Amino acid sequence: GAVVSQHPSWVICKSGTSVKIECRSLDFQATTMFWYRQFPKQSLMLMATSNEGSKATYEQGVEKDKFLINHASLTLSTLTVTSAHPEDSSFYICSAIRRHGPGEQYFGPGTRLTVT
Amino acid sequence: RKEVEQDPGPFNVPEGATVAFNCTYSNSASQSFFWYRQDCRKEPKLLMSVYSSGNEDGRFTAQLNRASQYISLLIRDSKLSDSATYLCAVSSGGSYIPTFGRGTSLIVHP
Repeated sequence: GAVVSQHPSWVICKSGTSVKIECRSLDFQATTMFWYRQFPKQSLMLMATSNEGSKATYEQGVEKDKFLINHASLTLSTLTVTSAHPEDSSFYICSAIRRHGPGEQYFGPGTRLTVT
Repeated sequence: RKEVEQDPGPFNVPEGATVAFNCTYSNSASQSFFWYRQDCRKEPKLLMSVYSSGNEDGRFTAQLNRASQYISLLIRDSKLSDSATYLCAVSSGGSYIPTFGRGTSLIVHP
C-alpha cells in the first residue's frame, strides 16, 4: 500500500501565530495532494487541491492568503495556517494520489490543531 | 439539498447483527462511489469502492442504486472492531475529487 505521513500530528499554538503542516508521500510520487479540514462530528471538507509545481486550487470560501499551500516536489506539500485564530482549530488531513496509479486517494494520519 | 447525505446515527447493534447504511447523492452525473471507515481521531481509510453491479468483500457488501441515487453498505456478523464512522464518498465524471458525506456512526456492543 501507499503511505502518506503528516507532521506534526498535533499542535497547540497561540492566536495570531502561524503553523506549518507537512504532508509527505513516503513510497510513491504524488501528482496531486489534497488538503481537508474536519470539525467534530462533521464531514471532511476539501480546502484545496495542490499540484506539484503549480498554484493550488482553493475551494469556495477558503481564503488562499490565510491557508498557504506549497507543493514543492512530488512527495511534499505544506499547508501554512497564517495568523491562526481559535476558529481555525480543527483536524487537518491531507491525501495524495499516486502519479502512476488508478487515482485512489491515500490519506495522511491528520494533524490536530488547537489555537488558544 | 446537500450533495451527499448520510444518517449520522449512531447505529447501536449487538455483536453478530447485520446492519445497513445508505448514502444518497444529488448529482445524477456521479460516476465513482466509495465507502471509507474512520476511527475516532484518525484518518479515513478506504473500505471499498462501489461498482454498478454491486460488490462484496468478506462480511461487507456495497450496492449502487442509480435510479434512486443512493449507495448502501451492508455489514454482516458485526464485530466489536467494526465500531467506527463510515463515510461515503461520491465523485462525478471526470473528477477524481470525491465529496464526502458526514458519516454514519456504528457502535457494536457485546
